[in-house]
Amino acid sequence: DTGVSQDPRHKITKRGQNVTFRCDPISEHNRLYWYRQTLGQGPEFLTYFQNEAQLEKSRLLSDRFSAERPKGSFSTLEIQRTEQGDSAMYLCASSSLGWGVQETQYFGPGTRLLVL
Amino acid sequence: DAKTTQPPSMDCAEGRAANLPCNHSTISGNEYVYWYRQIHSQGPQYIIHGLKNNETNEMASLIITEDRKSSTLILPHATLRDTAVYYCIVSPGANNLFFGTGTRLTVIP
Repeated sequence: DTGVSQDPRHKITKRGQNVTFRCDPISEHNRLYWYRQTLGQGPEFLTYFQNEAQLEKSRLLSDRFSAERPKGSFSTLEIQRTEQGDSAMYLCASSSLGWGVQETQYFGPGTRLLVL
Repeated sequence: DAKTTQPPSMDCAEGRAANLPCNHSTISGNEYVYWYRQIHSQGPQYIIHGLKNNETNEMASLIITEDRKSSTLILPHATLRDTAVYYCIVSPGANNLFFGTGTRLTVIP
């Protein structure tokens, strides 16, 4: 078990470009979460999946953002027409929801996005 | 959205116990207290959680008051590697975590 991995770790892009981030959860974890973190603030929830189903989206997730988890394993987060305000750390977490087990989220190292 | 109140910063001498307080006076009966920490430039790391009883694991102890309106995270022997932002979160489940701004703990040599 190598933990949650995210790729890339850093991304610099120009305003208006599209970017896509990937998250590989801990194997067999059925829940996957995306968060955004700006400087000096705690992580803010964006969305989460249970298996391949996207169960909840935050109002922070504008229509320029889309997340997928097509086979219930890895997930991608795409930002279209990036804006400077999208500059942040994007964090992925995974957890295993099971009967009688209190869920715990395990986080990846994050992808730091800078929009110029 | 904030359901917890934490001091913005604390210092602790290396080797001493670090006691991080958290107030959660509006906690509901089905809400757990979770603690995470975030070392600079890394993703948050789960530390411990509890509902009513005090909890201990290899990283820390969690002391929850009888009325559940506050709790304290205890790092028994703080090291320089414990310097981080510590988040106290109350939630009915881990699918609904609101992190807030946490407490920045600095362990001093």
